[in-house]
Amino acid sequence: EPEVTQTPSHQVTQMGQEVILRCVPISNHLYFYWYRQILGQKVEFLVSFYNNEISEKSEIFDDQFSVERPDGSNFTLKIRSTKLEDSAMYFCASSSTGQGGGYTFGSGTRLTVV
Amino acid sequence: QKEVEQDPGPLSVPEGAIVSLNCTYSNSAFQYFMWYRQYSRKGPELLMYTYSSGNKEDGRFTAQVDKSSKYISLFIRDSQPSDSATYLCAMSGITGANSKLTFGKGITLSVRP
Repeated sequence: EPEVTQTPSHQVTQMGQEVILRCVPISNHLYFYWYRQILGQKVEFLVSFYNNEISEKSEIFDDQFSVERPDGSNFTLKIRSTKLEDSAMYFCASSSTGQGGGYTFGSGTRLTVV
Repeated sequence: QKEVEQDPGPLSVPEGAIVSLNCTYSNSAFQYFMWYRQYSRKGPELLMYTYSSGNKEDGRFTAQVDKSSKYISLFIRDSQPSDSATYLCAMSGITGANSKLTFGKGITLSVRP
């Protein structure tokens, strides 16, 4: 069964450093997403991406965050200057329809900012 | 009022029990209703989804949506220890800002052998 692949599975970084989280979506999917889950809290929407541009972003997705699809297969989330409160699980998802039950999530990257 | 509220847990049941998991929501624009299962430090895995109101059955799992009450449920029949996980409800609308998934907080289910 097709999978969304995320790397690394765990990243530890110092506060103020830049991190790039990587995702390989399912190959025929057109819609791409990043969600995050702070320990013990809800899974929260960060950003959606379609047709090489951001289609929607949440209040969390401020100027410190950016997304890119650099080569037609990878989808990345960059955090420019990490803060302690950025520590969370970050999930990439892709969808063929952009709606409802069509999402497939990756296993996540656990980001720890120290 | 929070957009999606899920019954707090944790929930512990004996093997073979019928489990009922529930969520309420406030956004009338929601049209897709999903249940995900999540294991510790893993991504959400889609169990079932329903478009608009009604019931959907898949093996031991039944999802129900009552849009008039803004209430959704997941029933697990003949629960097994392998069903032990965190269950998340999620919802979305069709277009624009409502098309993103909005999740409940999740409930951790433990099925005792």
